[in-house]
Amino acid sequence: TQLLEQSPQFLSIQEGENLTVYCNSSSVFSSLQWYRQEPGEGPVLLVTVVTGGEVKKLKRLTFQFGDARKDSSLHITAAQPGDTGLYLCAGAWQNKLVFGAGTILRVKS
Amino acid sequence: DAGVTQSPTHLIKTRGQHVTLRCSPISGHKSVSWYQQVLGQGPQFIFQYYEKEERGRGNFPDRFSARQFPNYSSELNVNALLLGDSALYLCASSPHLGTGNTEAFFGQGTRLTVV
Repeated sequence: TQLLEQSPQFLSIQEGENLTVYCNSSSVFSSLQWYRQEPGEGPVLLVTVVTGGEVKKLKRLTFQFGDARKDSSLHITAAQPGDTGLYLCAGAWQNKLVFGAGTILRVKS
Repeated sequence: DAGVTQSPTHLIKTRGQHVTLRCSPISGHKSVSWYQQVLGQGPQFIFQYYEKEERGRGNFPDRFSARQFPNYSSELNVNALLLGDSALYLCASSPHLGTGNTEAFFGQGTRLTVV
């Protein structure tokens, strides 16, 4: 069974702070995706990383895929209240996505 | 372009009843997957359909079934509803079956409450 563990489960920070969310597994995934989900809505795709060691930037968000394609991280610089939400990582395996439990981020102004 | 659309958005059913949830994928996308998201957890894979054929099934009981139509829309059916089936049901659309880069785009979900 492929499992993805996300940490931390919950993060509450002040506006302007930096943060990192981690996504770890003992399994190798062909790609890894990060989603952001608001209450009552479906997940919205932020980025897909495919190559081991790959780094992608999306404005203040930086995503990294581990060299062995088993783990990933999401770093947010100068967090803003609009970043508040549930962040999910998902590994692609045999044509399905395996999701972590998510990290709830709350950014206070 | 319209994104993935799901209907209904909210639904309340009684234990033992049957429910049908519907999904229309993004235009041009041939793959539809269904996920169940229980409060406080990440989505769990239920089914994937591609070109009207089942291509994957998660660890869910036979009470759960699905199908895909010629226009690539899909239905998820759940029989003999249990309280534990209460969840957000998500439909995801992909352009192809995928061999690893399974980029998926999700609908807003159907919130099912079983009482």
